[in-house]
Amino acid sequence: QSVLTQPPSVSGAPGQRVTISCTGSSSNIGAGYDVHWYQQFPGTAPKLLIYGNNNRPSGVPDRFSGSKSGTSASLAITGLQAEDEADYYCQSYDTSLSGRVFGGGTKLTVL
Amino acid sequence: QVQLVESGGGVVQPGRSLRLSCAASGFTFRNFGMHWVRQAPGKGLEWVAIIWYDGSNKYYADSVKGRFTISRDQSKNTLYLQMNSLRADDTAVYYCVRDRDNKYFDWWGQGSLVTVSS
Repeated sequence: QSVLTQPPSVSGAPGQRVTISCTGSSSNIGAGYDVHWYQQFPGTAPKLLIYGNNNRPSGVPDRFSGSKSGTSASLAITGLQAEDEADYYCQSYDTSLSGRVFGGGTKLTVL
Repeated sequence: QVQLVESGGGVVQPGRSLRLSCAASGFTFRNFGMHWVRQAPGKGLEWVAIIWYDGSNKYYADSVKGRFTISRDQSKNTLYLQMNSLRADDTAVYYCVRDRDNKYFDWWGQGSLVTVSS
């Protein structure tokens, strides 16, 4: 059971907008710790997608955006493309565990 | 270009030990904290351990505390993970990961598979 809760899967048609939620608690996201997002394709290492709740590293398209409110965060992908099909993970820090924590991951399917 | 190359993975029997290495290049290794993150087959990501940029502090996930030791050799630009008393549930791909701002992971290695099986 992951400390941060994500839906196991989401799907959308090309061109559509999808969101992936990440729900935490008062010991992590609710305590004010930033949320970060990673994208992982099958058989490859994860890649940083969003850092500090809503910042994109160089090279990440602006179709990807993040937000945070209260004890939750969200990743939004607009103009969905076939190459966006991947697993997405949220990550934060948990003060009770004194360590970094991940969501269980969400598999995005592009229909 | 930042490169993190893990090595040392393989098949090991339960209760035995294994040491992973991670060779870092393309950045000033001694300026960055480093982590190990693992991923069991078909499962999600699990943070394992962090070592501060200067090696002064180390923290571990409860699942590996007392069994795993993270260390670094600044002269060799290399990160290590000594894994003792290995269990079947330690089976995973282990990633060497660079820390950024003591908050997130900005560069990942390709991973090294550790299989614990008799």
